[in-house]
Amino acid sequence: LAKTTQPISMDSYEGQEVNITCSHNNIATNDYITWYQQFPSQGPRFIIQGYKTKVTNEVASLFIPADRKSSTLSLPRVSLSDTAVYYCLVGDGGSQGNLIFGKGTKLSVKP
Amino acid sequence: GAVVSQHPSRVICKSGTSVKIECRSLDFQATTMFWYRQFPKKSLMLMATSNEGSKATYEQGVEKDKFLINHASLTLSTLTVTSAHPEDSSFYICSARDQLAGEQFFGPGTRLTVL
Repeated sequence: LAKTTQPISMDSYEGQEVNITCSHNNIATNDYITWYQQFPSQGPRFIIQGYKTKVTNEVASLFIPADRKSSTLSLPRVSLSDTAVYYCLVGDGGSQGNLIFGKGTKLSVKP
Repeated sequence: GAVVSQHPSRVICKSGTSVKIECRSLDFQATTMFWYRQFPKKSLMLMATSNEGSKATYEQGVEKDKFLINHASLTLSTLTVTSAHPEDSSFYICSARDQLAGEQFFGPGTRLTVL
């Protein structure tokens, strides 16, 4: 399974756009990139998943360059409630399907 | 979206006792479920993969005789922490893989405190 590298922490202010980049140099051809959000004492919550180019949903966008060795989660206009740990995972979601978590990025949104 | 529940949400037990944690997929079938452990301010660590109708696959360093996993149906997996000790105190999270959609959903977690 591909190893991921993310910044340990990021600070932002309410209303700003936040971009969290994840490196996954050893991503395999059939791997997808998935981002999860976790609040303290809660299970991870799915945010977005993509394979290449750009994916957008109601909460975030995911940008993946052509070489797929990195990805960027973009959170538009963050609020205090977006303060959480964000995990980037890569995997094929295949028969094994186990997701290996890296250290994640702790995002702190300030008023 | 799909829901995964865990019971209990938190449990406090005495050292030496056993504790069972249930993980249920509420609106989908899951042939595969996963158990994670998370210590304070740390990331999730995969403990084992639970396969319906067969033995669980444990990650390196996880004692299978201490962390008993049973996946007797397509919607239920249980993790039993046997002879719990204070160092087993942690946040235990399960996830279930929707065998049709292929997506993986996480439960809310169980806080175990061993006194």
